[in-house]
Amino acid sequence: SQTIHQWPATLVQPVGSPLSLECTVEGTSNPNLYWYRQAAGRGLQLLFYSVGIGQISSEVPQNLSASRPQDRQFILSSKKLLLSDSGFYLCAWSVFTGGTGNTIYFGEGSWLTVV
Amino acid sequence: GDSVTQMEGPVTLSEEAFLTINCTYTATGYPSLFWYVQYPGEGLQLLLKATKADDKGSNKGFEATYRKETTSFHLEKGSVQVSDSAVYFCALRNSGGSNYKLTFGKGTLLTVNP
Repeated sequence: SQTIHQWPATLVQPVGSPLSLECTVEGTSNPNLYWYRQAAGRGLQLLFYSVGIGQISSEVPQNLSASRPQDRQFILSSKKLLLSDSGFYLCAWSVFTGGTGNTIYFGEGSWLTVV
Repeated sequence: GDSVTQMEGPVTLSEEAFLTINCTYTATGYPSLFWYVQYPGEGLQLLLKATKADDKGSNKGFEATYRKETTSFHLEKGSVQVSDSAVYFCALRNSGGSNYKLTFGKGTLLTVNP
């Protein structure tokens, strides 16, 4: 069966420090991968998605970047964190097909607090 | 563009009460519709889904019917339990150029008291 893991689960970082959140998927090949952010009192916002190694699309301009160095690995990064980057970050995956009925599966999430 | 509107919470119910969380959507094409649940401190879990008009998704006593004529996908449960306390998100996934992503509503916090 497929599993998704992301880490760290919780982190507190000072303003201006770098960020690296990692996500891996097991049990599937060539998945679509996603990073979502859930800010307090707001819904989920898609930040990045990837349909293959090295292929990254950004949904919103921001202080963050994403990379996909391996088929089942997705990394969210920042060189210098801002207070507004605080939130709950969720990695997700889905099978690589065009069907809208394919479920997107989420990881456990990472709580980021920028102080 | 695509959008999802769900009733704002919080919703507070007593155990064994009937639950309805309204969800309506705006989309071109033929989207699939989903309900996700987020328990405190956790990620999102798929609760149920429907991929075409008049389909009914169901799971754990929850159900929702895809109503194309009213562009709705309301979530219902006949008798809620304390363990159902969570945030519920309605979402759609559309065909065409945006079929890679889910568009979410803002979520509805449900609290069930014993």
